[in-house]
Amino acid sequence: AQSVSQHNHHVILSEAASLELGCNYSYGGTVNLFWYVQYPGQHLQLLLKYFSGDPLVKGIKGFEAEFIKSKFSFNLRKPSVQWSDTAEYFCAVHASGGSYIPTFGRGTSLIVHP
Amino acid sequence: DSGVTQTPKHLITATGQRVTLRCSPRSGDLSVYWYQQSLDQGLQFLIQYYNGEERAKGNILERFSAQQFPDLHSELNLSSLELGDSALYFCASNRGSPNEQFFGPGTRLTVL
Repeated sequence: AQSVSQHNHHVILSEAASLELGCNYSYGGTVNLFWYVQYPGQHLQLLLKYFSGDPLVKGIKGFEAEFIKSKFSFNLRKPSVQWSDTAEYFCAVHASGGSYIPTFGRGTSLIVHP
Repeated sequence: DSGVTQTPKHLITATGQRVTLRCSPRSGDLSVYWYQQSLDQGLQFLIQYYNGEERAKGNILERFSAQQFPDLHSELNLSSLELGDSALYFCASNRGSPNEQFFGPGTRLTVL
């Protein structure tokens, strides 16, 4: 069974700092990859996704993620964070050809100080 | 707004009780997923229904059950509640393909 690791459980940054959140998965086959964000008191919503093609994926609100197949990674980045980016971030992996159930990481709590 | 609705928003009950959580998927979505989110366990997949039939099961306890009705809304039944069942319960929907899921606002269950 696939698993997803998000190594940073809590990240605290100041506004304008750069962000990189790690996500690694364990599955040798083809995968679909997602990053979801959960703002305080809100539901999870999709930030970006990767199915195929250009491994550098751009999402909403200036976020991007890079799929590195050799490293089984799908790290999330943003060059300059804002206070409004304070949220919980979840990486999710779906193994192509398997069930339609994605495996979620434990999440990373990001706090951005103004 | 994702288009997925969940009721109630908050639920406070006592140990040993039974509760029902309700989810209405986005219009046109046939698949409904239930998740439990707790501080120590993260987001755990419970169960999936597709067009009224159970499609996949995750870490769902025997005390929990779910169903999807002909109008595609779904209910998650939690019985013999324990303190450890206190969590956020999310419902998500999509058209059943391995694509993004659309999450509801969640139901916060507190068991006292």
